[in-house]
Amino acid sequence: DAGVIQSPRHEVTEMGQEVTLRCKPISGHDYLFWYRQTMMRGLELLIYFNNNVPIDDSGMPEDRFSAKMPNASFSTLKIQPSEPRDSAVYFCASVESGRRVTGELFFGEGSRLTVL
Amino acid sequence: GENVEQHPSTLSVQEGDSAVIKCTYSDSASNYFPWYKQELGKRPQLIIDIRSNVGEKKDQRIAVTLNKTAKHFSLHITETQPEDSAVYFCAARQGGKLIFGQGTELSVKP
Repeated sequence: DAGVIQSPRHEVTEMGQEVTLRCKPISGHDYLFWYRQTMMRGLELLIYFNNNVPIDDSGMPEDRFSAKMPNASFSTLKIQPSEPRDSAVYFCASVESGRRVTGELFFGEGSRLTVL
Repeated sequence: GENVEQHPSTLSVQEGDSAVIKCTYSDSASNYFPWYKQELGKRPQLIIDIRSNVGEKKDQRIAVTLNKTAKHFSLHITETQPEDSAVYFCAARQGGKLIFGQGTELSVKP
């Protein structure tokens, strides 16, 4: 398997623009997580899905952020409108439910977002 | 919800010395505690983990200990090497989600 695939790897945009980050989890993994990494706040959990259903979005910072998972092989994280403080590396990760309690979380390579 | 505190934030050791990173968690229901290593510009990757029914686990030069009563767990790296230099994250699983500590930047000087 190619692992968790994220795109784009790098995105530079201007304040106010819409940003869409994409993720393809590992085939067979039914849990998908979105994390945000910054120097100040470390790795923050934004939202996670089980079988394409959002389970906990309490980490989503505000209404400008939204996430969807229309099918088992694709998820998006959207920021609209973007602000400079959204600049961070956004990681997608997945795990299969059979190993949910003690299973390794597999991370994608991350999407580095810079909002000017 | 779960809160994970990690110390120190930076750690510098000489090659061959040991390194210890400590974490505390708040939710006594947490039952799984992994450690991830993140090299510069790369993704976090699992290096070792421990379940709540185990007190200690070892894998070559790395070991993890867990004190459920005190709600803290630690990562021990012995005979450190320059390639151990990275950011290390502890985490605790609460229900379906993994909550990470703030990270420790380990620097191993040759």
